[in-house]
Amino acid sequence: TQLLEQSPQFLSIQEGENLTVYCNSSSVFSSLQWYRQEPGEGPVLLVTVVTGGEVKKLKRLTFQFGDARKDSSLHITAAQPGDTGLYLCAGVPRDNYGQNFVFGPGTRLSVLP
Amino acid sequence: GAGVSQSPSNKVTEKGKDVELRCDPISGHTALYWYRQSLGQGLEFLIYFQGNSAPDKSGLPSDRFSAERTGGSVSTLTIQRTQQEDSAVYLCASSLVPNYEQYFGPGTRLTVT
Repeated sequence: TQLLEQSPQFLSIQEGENLTVYCNSSSVFSSLQWYRQEPGEGPVLLVTVVTGGEVKKLKRLTFQFGDARKDSSLHITAAQPGDTGLYLCAGVPRDNYGQNFVFGPGTRLSVLP
Repeated sequence: GAGVSQSPSNKVTEKGKDVELRCDPISGHTALYWYRQSLGQGLEFLIYFQGNSAPDKSGLPSDRFSAERTGGSVSTLTIQRTQQEDSAVYLCASSLVPNYEQYFGPGTRLTVT
């Protein structure tokens, strides 16, 4: 059972379209992070959200942390082919006293020109 | 500044041979993580180091896998008697403190023939 679920698993859209991907859990997270991984490379950190309800913007990317800190969303406006990649959410559950960083399975995005 | 580096970038080995994968974390980062990623899949947690000790080895798939970290810096992941199912990309990440944002290396692509 995945502690973090992501949806959709795959997404293929045309350049210029908007999209939203989701990261959900039944557990509360102290913070959540979003990473993007391009083929042949390691994941790159995009953003960290910490406060319930927090919204962060990174150019055309908008990240939101749910009020209960159990979920997060990533919205991309006017997607470009350069946005293609695997989007991963990750974090440490609040009640996990170990140091096990949890990653979701990822959403694989393909933006077609 | 220098990011996380991993070597080799690619390794092809015969079934049954031992391999060593190396990770150089960002200087000053106390936490170090190893993950495995099979083709088209998400990240599988292997082991986590805080300094030179490994509080969480729960992800190591079998006793053929071991890892060490020396001087609070470089880490090596060793796979003994490699099997074909060990073929994957092995990613290393470091963070300033545990449970904090992780920075990934480019990975080592291991192919067992």
